[in-house]
Amino acid sequence: DAEITQSPRHKITETGRQVTLACHQTWNHNNMFWYRQDLGHGLRLIHYSYGVQDTNKGEVSDGYSVSRSNTEDLPLTLESAASSQTSVYFCASSTGLAGEGTDTQYFGPGTRLTVL
Amino acid sequence: KNQVEQSPQSLIILEGKNCTLQCNYTVSPFSNLRWYKQDTGRGPVSLTIMTFSENTKSNGRYTATLDADTKQSSLHITASQLSDSASYICVVSGFYGQNFVFGPGTRLSVLP
Repeated sequence: DAEITQSPRHKITETGRQVTLACHQTWNHNNMFWYRQDLGHGLRLIHYSYGVQDTNKGEVSDGYSVSRSNTEDLPLTLESAASSQTSVYFCASSTGLAGEGTDTQYFGPGTRLTVL
Repeated sequence: KNQVEQSPQSLIILEGKNCTLQCNYTVSPFSNLRWYKQDTGRGPVSLTIMTFSENTKSNGRYTATLDADTKQSSLHITASQLSDSASYICVVSGFYGQNFVFGPGTRLSVLP
């Protein structure tokens, strides 16, 4: 069955270190998204991609970067981790083919990141 | 500012009872509205998606309504089950499904 996976599921790192969170989907979806979820906030969009070599900034992109070299993967990199980036990170994908953007988003299981 | 508000923040009901969750939004322009269910420790799962021309959509025991004029939506859960215990998130999309704005969610607990 097609799926979307994230790794690692839990990560503890130190301030200033570079961290990369992996996201891999086997749906062959064009669109991929990264969100963070914090208590008291809804999910917030970090970066998104509508296809290979395409990346776009979301609402809270400062301190994060992504690259899309193939359809299946969209790794999220924290260039220099900060305590404010402690959060749960979700990756999602969608076909990008439905009209009015109504295609279903499928979410991964999440990565809990702690920056000490 | 584009915002999505949900009420109540949390809700406790007994198994077998019905409940209704509310979503108000100020996102403009409006493209579509989604309801997601998020179990603890998992990613959100889509329940319904409605465009501005739709005013109701069902998925099993879940029925979502949309009033695009008043910018309000509701999610009605019928004959609740213990497995309905989760957070329910309202998400509104702007032009052509871009600019997703997520609500903070309603935490539902269904007790036996």
